[in-house]
Amino acid sequence: GNSVTQMEGPVTLSEEAFLTINCTYTATGYPSLFWYVQYPGEGLQLLLKATKADDKGSNKGFEATYRKETTSFHLEKGSVQVSDSAVYFCALGGSEKLVFGKGMKLTVNP
Amino acid sequence: EPEVTQTPSHQVTQMGQEVILRCVPISNHLYFYWYRQILGQKVEFLVSFYNNEISEKSEIFDDQFSVERPDGSNFTLKIRSTKLEDSAMYFCASSFSDRTSGNTIYFGEGSWLTVV
Repeated sequence: GNSVTQMEGPVTLSEEAFLTINCTYTATGYPSLFWYVQYPGEGLQLLLKATKADDKGSNKGFEATYRKETTSFHLEKGSVQVSDSAVYFCALGGSEKLVFGKGMKLTVNP
Repeated sequence: EPEVTQTPSHQVTQMGQEVILRCVPISNHLYFYWYRQILGQKVEFLVSFYNNEISEKSEIFDDQFSVERPDGSNFTLKIRSTKLEDSAMYFCASSFSDRTSGNTIYFGEGSWLTVV
């Protein structure tokens, strides 16, 4: 079945540091890939998505590229801010339901 | 921006008691979902609901669970006889379409259930 493996944290960075959160997947067919973010006290929000191989999703300075050859969808940001402190979830979906990774808690210090 | 709202935000219940978690999906959405996350584990799909019936459910969603859309706006998850292992964050979600590839699933803030 479909599964997602993502880098586990927690991770603490200083402001303006470079961020990479690794995500790899196993899937049949051609799923879409997603990054969701959960800020403290809030629900899961879609951060970005990619629906086919080589697509790049981007939002709020975050980027992730759908790599079919390495079955990966790593999340990157060049310069994190304190406001990026949150839990980040990688997910895949090919039908109604989403399959999530465990989530990674990021704390950014000033 | 429209949002999915859930109540309660936190509930503590005794083992064996019935619990109802409530959700108000986004008003023009047609597909509704429940997911849960046991502390330290993955967010797991429980059930999807469309046109007043369950369209897909996971192995977790056994006979102790049920869902209902009682009045056209609320979407509820009932756990009939709670067990300790039901302690988790329960997320309600909704979407306009069932195609995750071209569609956004909107999640609520979650209801944290603690069974003691």
